[in-house]
Amino acid sequence: GQQLNQSPQSMFIQEGEDVSMNCTSSSIFNTWLWYKQDPGEGPVLLIALYKAGELTSNGRLTAQFGITRKDSFLNISASIPSDVGIYFCAGRAGGYQKVTFGIGTKLQVIP
Amino acid sequence: SAVISQKPSRDICQRGTSLTIQCQVDSQVTMMFWYRQQPGQSLTLIATANQGSEATYESGFVIDKFPISRPNLTFSTLTVSNMSPEDSSIYLCSVPTRQGLQDGYTFGSGTRLTVV
Repeated sequence: GQQLNQSPQSMFIQEGEDVSMNCTSSSIFNTWLWYKQDPGEGPVLLIALYKAGELTSNGRLTAQFGITRKDSFLNISASIPSDVGIYFCAGRAGGYQKVTFGIGTKLQVIP
Repeated sequence: SAVISQKPSRDICQRGTSLTIQCQVDSQVTMMFWYRQQPGQSLTLIATANQGSEATYESGFVIDKFPISRPNLTFSTLTVSNMSPEDSSIYLCSVPTRQGLQDGYTFGSGTRLTVV
């Protein structure tokens, strides 16, 4: 089955710093999704990517769909305390098909 | 995007009993997905629930353990049957939704289950 490797699994950063996390897949995806999960909540979609090479921003967040279609990264610029949470990448092979999730990156921001 | 009401939000259950989790969506959706998130782990798809047909289960999950109902296009239930401590997890429902230009998935807030 499809496997996603997400790294790093956890990070501690100072408020104001930039953050980068990435995911690699054993197979090709047609869609990459990035989610954030706060404690006691379900994941919330941050950014969706649909084309190889696509670079998309959402406020301080920027994500890219890798050219090989087997990887994606998420950058957060100028981190703030409310960025704390678990960030998941997810890939989909096509249409509303099964989505495979990465293991998550737990982000902690030190004020 | 769709709004999902999931309940209960948490429960503590005795082993051997069953718990039914409900998800209500504010719009009609063809597919609903049920996930399990074990402590400190990622989300694992349990099954896809389609209205009017039996749910499709992923490898490692069976209908006898996780029966699913989908009586209409806005509602689904997942039952965790004959529970053991290994079933302690967060269970989440999800539906495909469109948010602006993004096609993604909306999740319920989850049910945190502890089996003692």
